[in-house]
Amino acid sequence: DAKTTQPPSMDCAEGRAANLPCNHSTISGNEYVYWYRQIHSQGPQYIIHGLKNNETNEMASLIITEDRKSSTLILPHATLRDTAVYYCIVGYMEYGNKLVFGAGTILRVKS
Amino acid sequence: EAQVTQNPRYLITVTGKKLTVTCSQNMNHEYMSWYRQDPGLGLRQIYYSMNVEVTDKGDVPEGYKVSRKEKRNFPLILESPSPNQTSLYFCASSSSGTAGGYTFGSGTRLTVV
Repeated sequence: DAKTTQPPSMDCAEGRAANLPCNHSTISGNEYVYWYRQIHSQGPQYIIHGLKNNETNEMASLIITEDRKSSTLILPHATLRDTAVYYCIVGYMEYGNKLVFGAGTILRVKS
Repeated sequence: EAQVTQNPRYLITVTGKKLTVTCSQNMNHEYMSWYRQDPGLGLRQIYYSMNVEVTDKGDVPEGYKVSRKEKRNFPLILESPSPNQTSLYFCASSSSGTAGGYTFGSGTRLTVV
């Protein structure tokens, strides 16, 4: 059911920016892009979401291409604690809409 | 602290012995959901509830029951557990029910022997 494609894994040096890509070429006009992460076997943690415009919060930035067919999650200064599986999810902003998780990207931050 | 609390964190049980995994949230959220996570299969929704006394099946509901008698609690019941229900379970809640607002519990690792 997952409507997104992400690379299986990525490495990043500690202190550098981590750029995680996501393809969602079949996204509908009113579907949002959401990012969650899961550290080890903990519960997934919400990071950020957006519709068309780029978004930034205290954790990350989300860059969505103009055609909305792909996006990039940016962790500006990755730390070892950012090592996790990152999930890119597309879905409607409607009550009761479930999260459909794909395989995600394993991000390894190395010192 | 706003949180979703699951109990127990770890459970080993035998086939056929009824068990309940509890889930409680202190955020007055209407929407609650259960997921299971298995290697190679990712996270899959079991059941969800949009409010008190309103529950519905997710993608993998077979072998599970839920109830929502109170807003804060959403227990997951396995009437007759089988080894294929060995998994990592997560409860989640949301005020809006939208994908951007989920808070997940810490998980329950269940082993059925």
